[in-house]
Amino acid sequence: DGGITQSPKYLFRKEGQNVTLSCEQNLNHDAMYWYRQDPGQGLRLIYYSQIVNDFQKGDIAEGYSVSREKKESFPLTVTSAQKNPTAFYLCASTATGFGSNQPQHFGDGTRLSIL
Amino acid sequence: GENVEQHPSTLSVQEGDSAVIKCTYSDSASNYFPWYKQELGKGPQLIIDIRSNVGEKKDQRIAVTLNKTAKHFSLHITETQPEDSAVYFCAADPDAGNMLTFGGGTRLMVKP
Repeated sequence: DGGITQSPKYLFRKEGQNVTLSCEQNLNHDAMYWYRQDPGQGLRLIYYSQIVNDFQKGDIAEGYSVSREKKESFPLTVTSAQKNPTAFYLCASTATGFGSNQPQHFGDGTRLSIL
Repeated sequence: GENVEQHPSTLSVQEGDSAVIKCTYSDSASNYFPWYKQELGKGPQLIIDIRSNVGEKKDQRIAVTLNKTAKHFSLHITETQPEDSAVYFCAADPDAGNMLTFGGGTRLMVKP
């Protein structure tokens, strides 16, 4: 089945450690996104990529980094500079080039906690 | 930039009743409005969407209405069932750039 796979489902970070969250999609979508969701709140955009080898900062990019070396993959690294990383992280993708908005499809998230 | 306000933040209804969730947006250029349902521990799933050239769209028990003049849109769920219990998010996209701004979410509880 086509979809978005996020791994791991749960992740723990120690002080001063960088951790990487995986996001893979087999929907042949060009655009991919990373969102952060805090308890009882909406989704805030961290980074997005409209095409391979290109990405832009979203509203809360500080303390995060991404890469887009392959169309299918958009990993997110939470660096030690992110002082409050505990949150639910969601990856999404969408088709582009249709001349009109297309819906974003989401993975099932990674819950990151501090040890 | 776009700002989306969503109300209420929590909504409790009896099974079989209707539920209405409302969103307002600030950018008059927004032309695409999806609604997502998020169950506990899962990612949001698209349940219905509407584009600005349409005033209303229905899919079985779910409907969305859009008032472009007033810059608000609403989700209507009829004959609610316990499995409708979840968090619902509205969103707006100001152009065909596929960039969504989300509302803060509504926790819907359907009591059997």
